[in-house]
Amino acid sequence: AQTVTQSQPEMSVQEAETVTLSCTYDTSESDYYLFWYKQPPSRQMILVIRQEAYKQQNATENRFSVNFQKAAKSFSLKISDSQLGDAAMYFCAYTRNYGGSQGNLIFGKGTKLSVKP
Amino acid sequence: EAGVTQFPSHSVIEKGQTVTLRCDPISGHDNLYWYRRVMGKEIKFLLHFVKESKQDESGMPNNRFLAERTGGTYSTLKVQPAELEDSGVYFCASSRRQGLGVPEAFFGQGTRLTVV
Repeated sequence: AQTVTQSQPEMSVQEAETVTLSCTYDTSESDYYLFWYKQPPSRQMILVIRQEAYKQQNATENRFSVNFQKAAKSFSLKISDSQLGDAAMYFCAYTRNYGGSQGNLIFGKGTKLSVKP
Repeated sequence: EAGVTQFPSHSVIEKGQTVTLRCDPISGHDNLYWYRRVMGKEIKFLLHFVKESKQDESGMPNNRFLAERTGGTYSTLKVQPAELEDSGVYFCASSRRQGLGVPEAFFGQGTRLTVV
């Protein structure tokens, strides 16, 4: 069975600094997608960044980037130039590639990120 | 474009009562998912609709949970009778039909259910 592990229940970063959130996963599949979702307090979860397993190049979205190590089954999220609005719960998630469709997501427990002014 | 909306945002009920949660997906999204997060644990998949059909209901915890999606639009998740362990946040998500690029699920704000 596939699993997703986030080993950091809480993290803290100074505003304008860089922070890396860890995520490892376990799967026997070769074709899958990985995601980082952000859930601000009392608000809905939004997609931060996604990675297709067959792509070697790490995904980047503005200040957010990932370090995807397929062999090590690692998928960390780096947030550069942290802003107060980045404070949220971050979830790492996995899904198999069902021919371009998304199956159910498997989530980690989440990492609560605090940003200090 | 309206996002995924869930009603109610909070619900407190007594053990043994019935509660119905509602999810309105993004218009045109064939896929609708229900997830649940029990305090301190992972978000767990409950079930997946493709239009009005249940594609995968392997995550439903027991037969006290009943999900419907009549007409392939909004969905309801009924818990009857509710037990203490049903407390948690219930999330709904929707996505476009398959074959239209990299999948992305859009989530609602969730319904926080407390059973006392």
